[in-house]
Amino acid sequence: QKEVEQDPGPLSVPEGAIVSLNCTYSNSAFQYFMWYRQYSRKGPELLMYTYSSGNKEDGRFTAQVDKSSKYISLFIRDSQPSDSATYLCAMSARGSQGNLIFGKGTKLSVKP
Amino acid sequence: GAVVSQHPSWVICKSGTSVKIECRSLDFQATTMFWYRQFPKQSLMLMATSNEGSKATYEQGVEKDKFLINHASLTLSTLTVTSAHPEDSSFYICSARKRRTSGRILEQYFGPGTRLTVT
Repeated sequence: QKEVEQDPGPLSVPEGAIVSLNCTYSNSAFQYFMWYRQYSRKGPELLMYTYSSGNKEDGRFTAQVDKSSKYISLFIRDSQPSDSATYLCAMSARGSQGNLIFGKGTKLSVKP
Repeated sequence: GAVVSQHPSWVICKSGTSVKIECRSLDFQATTMFWYRQFPKQSLMLMATSNEGSKATYEQGVEKDKFLINHASLTLSTLTVTSAHPEDSSFYICSARKRRTSGRILEQYFGPGTRLTVT
């Protein structure tokens, strides 16, 4: 079992839809959880980060962490064509010097 | 902001030659820089971690003599792919972490990546 599992998609939704992206993980030591957005042929851009469990909201984006289920989610409300990108989850364990373990990424396409 | 640049953005080289990729943190000091490799439709795979002024720590399976990393200053790290082969063709991305502050979150800022094609 890989440390971080993420459905690669592709996921296609109409403009305005609510998007749900998810990752599961196996290492219970993970405490830092991040979501990155990567446009084609570009480096990843940090969208949101969460420490331990709980929810965090930033504009149209909401990140959720459920440590008991080892499951994290990113919700995008009122999705826009400009949200079309690959979304990568990443996580690290305390004391690991911040070395991030990435999921494979989910490719999202928002159709006008 | 926290901007990380990479140069070149893409490079084509012949098999057997060496290629150097630069990674710079433009508006902050980075005590730690990371080098990743990303194959098409695959995730980012950490190759090595470098701390300013010390030797890089390589991940298992990454040849340190083939992928030379130098972190000469708090704003510059270089990756040299020596004796490149077609299987080294990939997207190489660096990231930099700010000098540790009081915050617990260890944020990494990524460069735009360098696409290497070895013919």
